[in-house]
Amino acid sequence: EPEVTQTPSHQVTQMGQEVILRCVPISNHLYFYWYRQILGQKVEFLVSFYNNEISEKSEIFDDQFSVERPDGSNFTLKIRSTKLEDSAMYFCASSVFTGTYEQYFGPGTRLTVT
Amino acid sequence: AQTVTQSQPEMSVQEAETVTLSCTYDTSENNYYLFWYKQPPSRQMILVIRQEAYKQQNATENRFSVNFQKAAKSFSLKISDSQLGDTAMYFCAFISGNAGNMLTFGGGTRLMVKP
Repeated sequence: EPEVTQTPSHQVTQMGQEVILRCVPISNHLYFYWYRQILGQKVEFLVSFYNNEISEKSEIFDDQFSVERPDGSNFTLKIRSTKLEDSAMYFCASSVFTGTYEQYFGPGTRLTVT
Repeated sequence: AQTVTQSQPEMSVQEAETVTLSCTYDTSENNYYLFWYKQPPSRQMILVIRQEAYKQQNATENRFSVNFQKAAKSFSLKISDSQLGDTAMYFCAFISGNAGNMLTFGGGTRLMVKP
């Protein structure tokens, strides 16, 4: 069964460094998403992406964040200058715009900023 | 803006018994979808069940079923014949059918199935 994959599973970085989190969505899906979950808190929407542009973003998704689909398979989230409060689990998701709105999640990348 | 509330931070159930997890939501929209996601210790989010707001019939997936009360804005999840593998965090989530494609999640309920 097709699934969303994410790399790396765990990333440790120093405050102020740039990180890129990578995702490979399900191949026939058209919408891509990033969510984050700070430890012990609810899952929060960051951004959605369709047709090579951002379709929606939350207040969390400020200028430090960017997304890109550099080729036909990968979908990346870049954090330019990481802060301690960026430490969280980052989930990539994808969906087919069929009207069912089901989003399929990857296993997540745990980002630890020290 | 939509909000999703799960009033039970933790619950436990004996193996083979039935448990119901509560979820309420607030929206002014008439067209939307509701979901229950399971997050086991591995942290991956797994879709359990989906309900379309325009459908009166409650969704069912094997041992999982929902009680969708649209007027009360309630969407509870019933797990029958609980299994040890059901131990996980369960998140209720809402998505608008009219505009936008962001999922709004509740705070989660931690379910422990005891042998």
